[in-house]
Amino acid sequence: DLVMTQSPLSLAVALGQPASISCRSSQSLVHHNGNTQLYWFQQRPGQPPRRLIYQVSNRDSGVPDRFSGSGAGTEFTLKISRVEAEDVGVYYCMQGVLLHTFGPGTQLEIK
Amino acid sequence: EVYIVESGGGLVQPGGSLRLSCAASGFTFSGYWMHWVRQVPGKGLEWLSRITNDGGTSWYADSVEGRFTISRDNAKNTLYLQMNSLRVDDTAVYYCVRGEEGGPGNFWGQGTLVTVSS
Repeated sequence: DLVMTQSPLSLAVALGQPASISCRSSQSLVHHNGNTQLYWFQQRPGQPPRRLIYQVSNRDSGVPDRFSGSGAGTEFTLKISRVEAEDVGVYYCMQGVLLHTFGPGTQLEIK
Repeated sequence: EVYIVESGGGLVQPGGSLRLSCAASGFTFSGYWMHWVRQVPGKGLEWLSRITNDGGTSWYADSVEGRFTISRDNAKNTLYLQMNSLRVDDTAVYYCVRGEEGGPGNFWGQGTLVTVSS
């Protein structure tokens, strides 16, 4: 089974400060088509999830440019350059190489 | 505007069945793969199933393989999830999601709650 892990599982950041969330997969996420199938989702309290990033580093439409994704192989990072109040919620990474598996989630709150 | 609305959730006894529906509008439904994802209240996300745009091929997570069946009616712009042999641990909010760029994308319904309890 392909296992996704995230760290930290919770994070408290002051407004305007940067935040970083790591995601690791137990196997390479490079698809046979050459794309790396790693995605990031945000779930604000009481709302359905929203996808932020697809294939490691591509921002979805409407996602602020303070969100960025990076990484390769089995190690990936989501960065928020300056945290805003609306960023509070849970962030999930997800792999798309062997069907799909979400990571456990990282709770982001404001310090 | 894209709209995705799930329905069909409710209370069911262990061992029972339920069929969820997902009505889609605002886009060419037949052009997109679709996914089901669930979430136990207060817990994380679990991907369950996906289906190709023409309904010809589907895939399942191990946790629901053999018990759940995904299907679609492109003439009705509707996705379905037939859930059989339901267990207490199937209790969750079930989301319908449009597929994009190789995975669940940016358009999710609000979810429908399924409670399996005696």
